[in-house]
Formats: sequence, C-alpha cells, structure tokens
Amino acid sequence: NAGVTQTPKFQVLKTGQSMTLQCAQDMNHNSMYWYRQDPGMGLRLIYYSASEGTTDKGEVPNGYNVSRLNKREFSLRLESAAPSQTSVYFCASSETQNRNEKLFFGSGTQLSVL
Amino acid sequence: AQSVAQPEDQVNVAEGNPLTVKCTYSVSGNPYLFWYVQYPNRGLQFLLKYITGDNLVKGSYGFEAEFNKSQTSFHLKKPSALVSDSALYFCAAYHNAGNMLTFGGGTRLMVKP
Repeated sequence: NAGVTQTPKFQVLKTGQSMTLQCAQDMNHNSMYWYRQDPGMGLRLIYYSASEGTTDKGEVPNGYNVSRLNKREFSLRLESAAPSQTSVYFCASSETQNRNEKLFFGSGTQLSVL
Repeated sequence: AQSVAQPEDQVNVAEGNPLTVKCTYSVSGNPYLFWYVQYPNRGLQFLLKYITGDNLVKGSYGFEAEFNKSQTSFHLKKPSALVSDSALYFCAAYHNAGNMLTFGGGTRLMVKP
C-alpha cells in the first residue's frame, strides 16, 4: 500500500518556467490537499479538493492552479515560476474533509526556482 | 483569526528524560487539535488528536498530549525520550467555522544519547 505518492522528488526551475507536480493516493480518499512548507512557517495550505470535481483556494493560492483529475489524482501547476515559490511541497489526503480526520502526507517535492 | 504557536524552535533532551513540546492555539469555538511528526526527507505523520473528552490524549509511539482550555495549550509529552524521537514536530488546529487545518511553525526535537 503506497499511500500518497508525489512526483518529482526534486526540481530546479528558472524564473518564468512552468511545471506540474503530480500526486496520487491509493486509499480511496475523498479529500486531497496541497501544502507548502517554508522554514519557521509550518505548512500553509495552497489548494484543496474536498471531493472529486471540486477545488477550493487555501491560504496561499496565488501563482498556483490545481486539477482534481479523478478521485486518485490531484495535480498542482505553477504557470510562471517565481523565486518566492522555492519551497517544499506536500500533497496530503484524508478520507473526508471532516475536521476529526487525520491527514496522510506524501514525501514531498523540493522545488528551487532560480 | 486563528493561529497556532510553537514558542520553541528547538528542544534538547537527554535520552531517558521526559520531554515536552509546547503548543498554544488561538481559535474561535471549540478547537480540533492535532500533533504531527516529520522525520528527515519524509512527509508528516499523524501522532494524535484532541476533539473532545478527556484532556489527556494518548497517541502513537508513546506520545501523549494535554489539552488545557484555560491556558489554550496542547503540549506534547513523553515520559522517557528515545534518540529515535528526534524529528520535527508540528501542532495544528481547526476551528469550528473553518475548513483549513492551520499548522504551527514546528519544533525540532533533539534527543541526545
């Protein structure tokens, strides 16, 4: 049981380049999330998808887009990367969006924008 | 606005000693509180949660946390630290009216032999 799988693990971009971070979960979870982790700031929610077919903005959505491709997959796209988007990105999933649910996290994507 | 604060960037303890990692919250309504742990180059893993009921919550790997409503705190504790407990620990909270889990800045726990 792989859980939450993210690709790639590492990426270096030049300013202005675009890329898509991929995430897939095999736990039949309804809800999926994208977070970014910056030193001393904890994790901040970028976008989430409460269920297949829906997406909503989180705390820091500017500069990002998402697609809930199907129940398993939730991708994050940077259309024009900026140095401020240098961060570690985590995808997570939960069975539902109920507040008592725990989140399951992928192992992260380390992104550097030069 | 809701927030979660972890006042210590790093906590150092000797193996076998008790440990405490502090967390305070500021949310409206009844809080839903969580602790997660992150080992190097890994995603976060759930440790425990407080929703309602007993103020002392037991979780994975021998960890427990004490909910204190009057002090708005949810400190993580373990009676006897192991070197393998060394990791980054995050406190997180929802409030009743929100759908977003807010994380504290994290506390690095270093357990020395």
